[in-house]
Amino acid sequence: NAGVTQTPKFQVLKTGQSMTLQCAQDMNHNSMYWYRQDPGMGLRLIYYSASEGTTDKGEVPNGYNVSRLNKREFSLRLESAAPSQTSVYFCASWPRVYGLAHGRADTQYFGPGTRLTVL
Amino acid sequence: GDSVTQMEGPVTLSEEAFLTINCTYTATGYPSLFWYVQYPGEGLQLLLKATKADDKGSNKGFEATYRKETTSFHLEKGSVQVSDSAVYFCALSDQDTDKLIFGTGTRLQVFP
Repeated sequence: NAGVTQTPKFQVLKTGQSMTLQCAQDMNHNSMYWYRQDPGMGLRLIYYSASEGTTDKGEVPNGYNVSRLNKREFSLRLESAAPSQTSVYFCASWPRVYGLAHGRADTQYFGPGTRLTVL
Repeated sequence: GDSVTQMEGPVTLSEEAFLTINCTYTATGYPSLFWYVQYPGEGLQLLLKATKADDKGSNKGFEATYRKETTSFHLEKGSVQVSDSAVYFCALSDQDTDKLIFGTGTRLQVFP
C-alpha cells in the first residue's frame, strides 16, 4: 500500500514548455486534489475531482488542466509553463463521498510533492 | 467564503518549552477542523482533528480544542522536542463541500 505517489519529484522547465504531473493513489478514494504551495501562501487548490469522471476548478486554476484518468489517477498538465508556476505541487486523495455527512471526519492523504522550477 | 487565519512564524523555541500556535476560522455551518504537519521535504500529514464544538483532538503530545464561541482551534504542546520542528497548517472542511481550506502555515523551529 503505497498511499499517494507523485512523479516526478523534481522538474525544471523553460518558459513555454509543457509537462504533465502524475498522481496515483491505491486506497480506492473517491476524491483527488491538486494543490500548489508557495512561501507565505499556504496550500492553494488548483483543481479537484470529487469522483471518477468529474473535475472542478479550485482557487487558482488558470494555466492548468487536469484529467481524472480513472479512480486511481489524477494528472495535472501545464500547457505553456510560466515562471509564476514555479512552486511545489501536492496531490491528495480523500475517501469522502460527495455530499455525505459521514465524510466530515475523514482526512486528506498527501503525496510527497513535485518541486517545479520554470526558468 | 470560509477562511482560516494562523499566527505568522517562525516560532522559535528551546527544547521542552510550551508551544501555542493560534488558529481562528470563519465558516458558515459547522466545519470539521484539522491540524496538519509538514516535515522538511515531505507532504502534509494529519496531526489531529475535531469534528464538533468542544471536541479535543490529540496526537503525539499535541492538543487542540474546537471552540465555537471564539471560532478557534489553537494547537498546544506542553514540551516540544527538536523533532517537532516543522511547518504546521490549520485547516477546515465544510460539511457541504469536498474541499479543505488551509491557513498559511506556521514554521516551528526548536533548538536544543
